[in-house]
Amino acid sequence: DVKVTQSSRYLVKRTGEKVFLECVQDMDHENMFWYRQDPGLGLRLIYFSYDVKMKEKGDIPEGYSVSREKKERFSLILESASTNQTSMYLCASSLLGRGMGDNEQFFGPGTRLTVL
Amino acid sequence: ILNVEQSPQSLHVQEGDSTNFTCSFPSSNFYALHWYRWETAKSPEALFVMTLNGDEKKKGRISATLNTKEGYSYLYIKGSQPEDSATYLCASEGSNDYKLSFGAGTTVTVRA
Repeated sequence: DVKVTQSSRYLVKRTGEKVFLECVQDMDHENMFWYRQDPGLGLRLIYFSYDVKMKEKGDIPEGYSVSREKKERFSLILESASTNQTSMYLCASSLLGRGMGDNEQFFGPGTRLTVL
Repeated sequence: ILNVEQSPQSLHVQEGDSTNFTCSFPSSNFYALHWYRWETAKSPEALFVMTLNGDEKKKGRISATLNTKEGYSYLYIKGSQPEDSATYLCASEGSNDYKLSFGAGTTVTVRA
């Protein structure tokens, strides 16, 4: 059974703290993604990765960085958390390559981060 | 950034009634249209991925159609049940990469 896990369901941090959000998938997927979800805005892509040690900026990368040292793990880092980063963060993974079936993304349960 | 729009933002349906809602997306550089269902306290789950104009897919009481020339997709729920209550997200996948651009979702509440 396909599975994407995230390190925390709820997290409360203070302004200025460094925050790590971890995502692990057990499907041997090449692609991994980090999104944030805010009311009325849908999912917005922060960063994604097609391979180990590879990263690409999404639509809203400012204030975030990522790390992918192993194929199964993709970490989102908030270098200095700010109140406008309070949000729901979702990780997802998918297979690389088209013509290999539906390119659906598999999502983790999300981390609701509150920055005080 | 692809501009994907969903309407309505929310709707309430009586149990047993059927309903449908819309996703519109830019038709240029299009590769695929995804539909996901996101139930409260759960992860979003894929319902359909459609690529061909005129495509129609079905899963149980839920079906979807795709018009790539005019840039829209409909999701239909037949005989709504309380377990259909969820936010339904559509996302457009461009031809240049694997990124998805999501709409804001349609939240469906089925009243018993």
